[in-house]
Amino acid sequence: DAKTTQPPSMDCAEGRAANLPCNHSTISGNEYVYWYRQIHSQGPQYIIHGLKNNETNEMASLIITEDRKSSTLILPHATLRDTAVYYCIVANNQGGKLIFGQGTELSVKP
Amino acid sequence: NAGVTQTPKFRILKIGQSMTLQCTQDMNHNYMYWYRQDPGMGLKLIYYSVGAGITDKGEVPNGYNVSRSTTEDFPLRLELAAPSQTSVYFCASSYGQGRTNEKLFFGSGTQLSVL
Repeated sequence: DAKTTQPPSMDCAEGRAANLPCNHSTISGNEYVYWYRQIHSQGPQYIIHGLKNNETNEMASLIITEDRKSSTLILPHATLRDTAVYYCIVANNQGGKLIFGQGTELSVKP
Repeated sequence: NAGVTQTPKFRILKIGQSMTLQCTQDMNHNYMYWYRQDPGMGLKLIYYSVGAGITDKGEVPNGYNVSRSTTEDFPLRLELAAPSQTSVYFCASSYGQGRTNEKLFFGSGTQLSVL
């Protein structure tokens, strides 16, 4: 599975959009981009995933570049409850090999 | 649905003791996983299962054993506890078919200390 690179930490003002980048330059054609988040000491929570098209759900939007080498997770109106570690993961959807990196620690500030 | 349920939530073991971490899911998911998370670190995959009777090693399987006799249950066994196994353990499950193989549902974790 392709590796990902994320900034270790980011800050965001409450009510503003949080844009979390992820580089995955070695992604293969059959690999998806998944985003999870982990609020302190809880189990990770699935946010969104995509293959090549942009995706949106009730939690976030996922923008994948045309060459698929990077993506951005967008939380449109960040709240204090969005403070968490966000993980970007590349996986081939064959199950069993979801590898978590260090993620980005997002701090939403009042 | 209760989702993924892990027991116990906390446990302290002495070096050399053994124990089983329980995990059960009521979503009829095919795939189940065990991860560990050391303080300040990301999650590491210990073992996973793609169905009853089938298990496979992840990134850090040494010191652990698993079994999958039913779709619902996936217990993790520590035979000879060591201080290096002090960690938070998360169980997860997923449908395992089609486009959402990697949409995992996690339990609330078991915090284990080996002293």
